[in-house]
Formats: sequence, C-alpha cells, structure tokens
Amino acid sequence: EAGVAQSPRYKIIEKRQSVAFWCNPISGHATLYWYQQILGQGPKLLIQFQNNGVVDDSQLPKDRFSAERLKGVDSTLKIQPAKLEDSAVYLCASSPGASYSYEQYFGPGTRLTVT
Amino acid sequence: SQQGEEDPQALSIQEGENATMNCSYKTSINNLQWYRQNSGRGLVHLILIRSNEREKHSGRLRVTLDTSKKSSSLLITASRAADTASYFCATDARALTFGSGTRLQVQP
Repeated sequence: EAGVAQSPRYKIIEKRQSVAFWCNPISGHATLYWYQQILGQGPKLLIQFQNNGVVDDSQLPKDRFSAERLKGVDSTLKIQPAKLEDSAVYLCASSPGASYSYEQYFGPGTRLTVT
Repeated sequence: SQQGEEDPQALSIQEGENATMNCSYKTSINNLQWYRQNSGRGLVHLILIRSNEREKHSGRLRVTLDTSKKSSSLLITASRAADTASYFCATDARALTFGSGTRLQVQP
C-alpha cells in the first residue's frame, strides 16, 4: 500500500512570498490532517478534513494560511505571505476515520525555510 | 500549550540496554498513542493504549498508562542502533496533541 505523499520535500522562500504544499493521502482514507512541526517541538495540528469538509481549523492562522481538499482526496496548504516564524516542517497525515482512536499515517513532510 | 510532555528530553544509551521514556498530560483522555520520528522523516505510529488499559506490549515495546497520575511510559527493551529517533506521546483530549518528544540515541 502506498503511503502518504507530499511535495515538495524542501522549499526556501523569502519573507512575504507565497508557497503551496501538496499532499496525497492513503487511498480510501477519509480524514486528512496538516501539522506544523517547528524544530525541537512536536507536531501541532493546523487543520483536519473529513472528506472535503473542515472538521477543525481552530489553530490555523487564517490571515495567512489556507487549505483545501477538493474532491475529498488531495489537499493543498498555502501560506501567503510567509513570515520568518513559518519556518518549519509541514506534515500531512491521513487516517481511515475521524476518531482520534485511529492511527495516523504521516507523509515525509515539507521542510520550509523562510529567509 | 502542548497536552503531553515527555521526559527526559534526551536519552543516550548503549545498544542492548533498555530505554524508558515518560509522558505526562493534563486533561482526561480516551486513549494515548506513541509515535517515532527518525531524523528528517515523518512520524510512525508505534502503539495505542486506551484509557481502560494499564499495560500493552508490542514486540520490544511496553507501554503503561496510569490515568490517576495522568502519565504513561514507553519501554524499549534490548535497544538497537536503529531505535535512534525521537519519540512522541500524543493524547486525544481535543485534537491529537503531541508533546515535545524524547530524543533517543542508541550507541552501537
């Protein structure tokens, strides 16, 4: 079974520029998550989708971050404009169901550096 | 603030020794999960323990949960160099909330 795919793996941009990340979850997984992991910390949930609907986006900085999951499969996360503090690894994960009793499957992440 | 906090922050042991990591959390949970993250990689699920369970085993892993103390421990027996990674506990108080992790270094 193919895992969670993410691209790009690395991205370097200047502050105030925009950037987009892409995620393809495991086939059949209805729930998709985006996490931000700052160096030395654990992942922090940004947004959770159930199919193509948003379940939880309470920790998403909506003035600069946006995410969509069209057709309930692939998802994109965008930052516009980027700030220095957005430098982090952005992880996508998927699970078969919305309950947190399900194991989450993580992609390799996109390492973003904002200069 | 993060729900779970691991202790110690870093641990260095010799191959063959046991490694114990602890996790403390603040609010009631339904279950607690442990994940491993190798350098530069995504997280890999290790084990899930439900709030009505006290101990669970998976291969060389042993997890305990004490809901009265709001704490959990992960024991890796007979460690190997390949166990070198960061280990995170995650609780489901609201969203799946991760601690800051324990960085384990196993010296060959």
